[in-house]
Amino acid sequence: DIQMTQSPSSLSPSVGDRVTITCRASQSIGDYLNWYQQKPGNAPKLLIYAASGLQSGVPSRFSGSGSGTDFTLTISSLQPEDFATYYCQQSDSTPYTFGQGTKLEIK
Amino acid sequence: EVHLVESGGGLVQPGGSLRLSCEASGFTFSSYWMHWVRQTPGKGLMWVSRITSDGSATSYADSVKGRFTISRDNAKNTLYLQMNSLRAEDTAVYYCARAGGVARFDPWGQGTLVTVSS
Repeated sequence: DIQMTQSPSSLSPSVGDRVTITCRASQSIGDYLNWYQQKPGNAPKLLIYAASGLQSGVPSRFSGSGSGTDFTLTISSLQPEDFATYYCQQSDSTPYTFGQGTKLEIK
Repeated sequence: EVHLVESGGGLVQPGGSLRLSCEASGFTFSSYWMHWVRQTPGKGLMWVSRITSDGSATSYADSVKGRFTISRDNAKNTLYLQMNSLRAEDTAVYYCARAGGVARFDPWGQGTLVTVSS
């Protein structure tokens, strides 16, 4: 199975900060990498697909980059509604696997 | 608007069975592959199973293979997950999700909680 490792596990940024979350795959997955946002009590929501594609309706402050084994999710200017947990997921091969999550907590 | 609504969760004893349903609306259900994903506080998100648009092919995580069966009824716009020989470690919130592009999950249902305990 492909292991997905996110870092950091948690972060306490301030509103307006630029936030970067990284995700590393245990083997090359091309650009088969998706990012999700999850708020407490809700299902995950797709933000970024194929490493850098912005899902329809997602604010442009979210962006993704990377290929192969190393990927990044960036929030250019953190908004109050962005405090949530973020997960990466590889869609290269089954079993599709997720990172352990990165929780953005209000400082 | 695309909508997925799961049902069928609940409390079941170890070794028992449960069938989850996921009713879809707002899109042509028969055109999409579908997935089940589960989430536990301790182990995070785990992909469980997928099924092709016509139901002809399925795939499972190793931990549920032989115990869980995914199926669909395109006439009823409904996805199913039959879970047999349930174990404590199957306790989780189970989500159905539509497959977009190459195995990206969008959208997800609201989830249904399955608790396996005596």
